[in-house]
Amino acid sequence: DGGITQSPKYLFRKEGQNVTLSCEQNLNHDAMYWYRQDPGQGLRLIYYSQIVNDFQKGDIAEGYSVSREKKESFPLTVTSAQKNPTAFYLCASSPRVGNEQFFGPGTRLTVL
Amino acid sequence: DQQVKQNSPSLSVQEGRISILNCDYTNSMFDYFLWYKKYPAEGPTFLISISSIKDKNEDGRFTVFLNKSAKHLSLHIVPSQPGDSAVYFCAAHYTNAGKSTFGDGTTLTVKP
Repeated sequence: DGGITQSPKYLFRKEGQNVTLSCEQNLNHDAMYWYRQDPGQGLRLIYYSQIVNDFQKGDIAEGYSVSREKKESFPLTVTSAQKNPTAFYLCASSPRVGNEQFFGPGTRLTVL
Repeated sequence: DQQVKQNSPSLSVQEGRISILNCDYTNSMFDYFLWYKKYPAEGPTFLISISSIKDKNEDGRFTVFLNKSAKHLSLHIVPSQPGDSAVYFCAAHYTNAGKSTFGDGTTLTVKP
């Protein structure tokens, strides 16, 4: 059945290492998004992509990178330049920009 | 500058009563508004939306009201049920924008 998946659910990394979070959707959605949620806070947009091979920075893109080589996939790399990478990361997709978004289950990243 | 604000971090209501969650926005270009519900350690799920050409949209126990002159929207849940206990996010969007803007969320607790 259709949906959006993120893996893994929990991820631990040592400080200074890059880490890539996976996001896959089989909903045939054009738009995909990455958000970060910190305790007690809302969703902050990291990057978004309206179409394959195109993406734009969100509000907190520094220290992150993305690619959109396939419609189904939008991986997020958390680089060593990200000062506070420990957070809950959410991926979402929508048929087009502006439609309601469908969210994945999230990945909790802990940097030790 | 936070363009979408949910000024009440938390709300507690008795089962069977009405829950009213509020959201204010500052950008007059916003023309589409959405509410999402989020349980801990899960991704948000879409609840209900409203276009700026309407002032009310209803779906079962959930009703969203939009007051454009006041730049204010509210979500009414009647009757409230313990399963409604979650974090509720308000989001806003405008045509040709590449992204939605989320509020910080309101934690609703419905007591049996």
